Amino acid sequence: QSVLTQTPSASGTPGQRVSISCSGNSSSFRNLYIYWYAQVPGSAPKLLIYRNNLRPSGVPDRFSASKSATSASLAISGLRPEDESRYFCATWDDSVDGPLFGSGTKLT
Amino acid sequence: QVHLVQSGPELKKPGASVKVSCKTSGYTFTSFYLHWVRQAPGQDLEWLGWINPNNGGTKFAQNFQGRVTMTRDTSLTTAYMEVHRLTADDTAVYYCSRELPGYHTAWDFWGQGTQITVSS
Repeated sequence: QSVLTQTPSASGTPGQRVSISCSGNSSSFRNLYIYWYAQVPGSAPKLLIYRNNLRPSGVPDRFSASKSATSASLAISGLRPEDESRYFCATWDDSVDGPLFGSGTKLT
Repeated sequence: QVHLVQSGPELKKPGASVKVSCKTSGYTFTSFYLHWVRQAPGQDLEWLGWINPNNGGTKFAQNFQGRVTMTRDTSLTTAYMEVHRLTADDTAVYYCSRELPGYHTAWDFWGQGTQITVSS
């Protein structure tokens, strides 16, 4: 069973740059597209990054992402108080023909 | 601008069915797949499946095959998701979301969510 692993929590101060990681246990991780979302409790998730490092329209360039053969990371620069949220990675898992979600990182 | 507006909260008894609507506007309804996901309190997202509004084609998560139906009305630009044989474990917020074409896990617009509570 494929799993996406994230550290449960991260923290930063205004103006700082933080990184959030997402690692996979599958040998096919290198071939996967990784997606990043932010979710505030009580609200729908918001798409931040798709296809590893692309930003949808309207997402500020403070958000960036990268991916290697074994892990992916989301970077947030110029941290703002409104960036406090839960961030989770996701991918499409061909073995179950459905999405796979990371457990999320709570950014304080 | 793009909007997805869902129907209101529902309280259902175990064994009943519930149907949630997702009214879309601001884009060509038939050009974007719509997905349904749910989130139980304190839990991760759980994907239910998608519908292709162009032809009504559907795909369901293995856990929901046979228990969930998805339909659409192109004249109303609205998608519907129905869950049958409800149990308490189906208590969750249900979301519809629009897929970026070609990327099944990229959902760029979301409905506001519909709270479904299953209780006797």
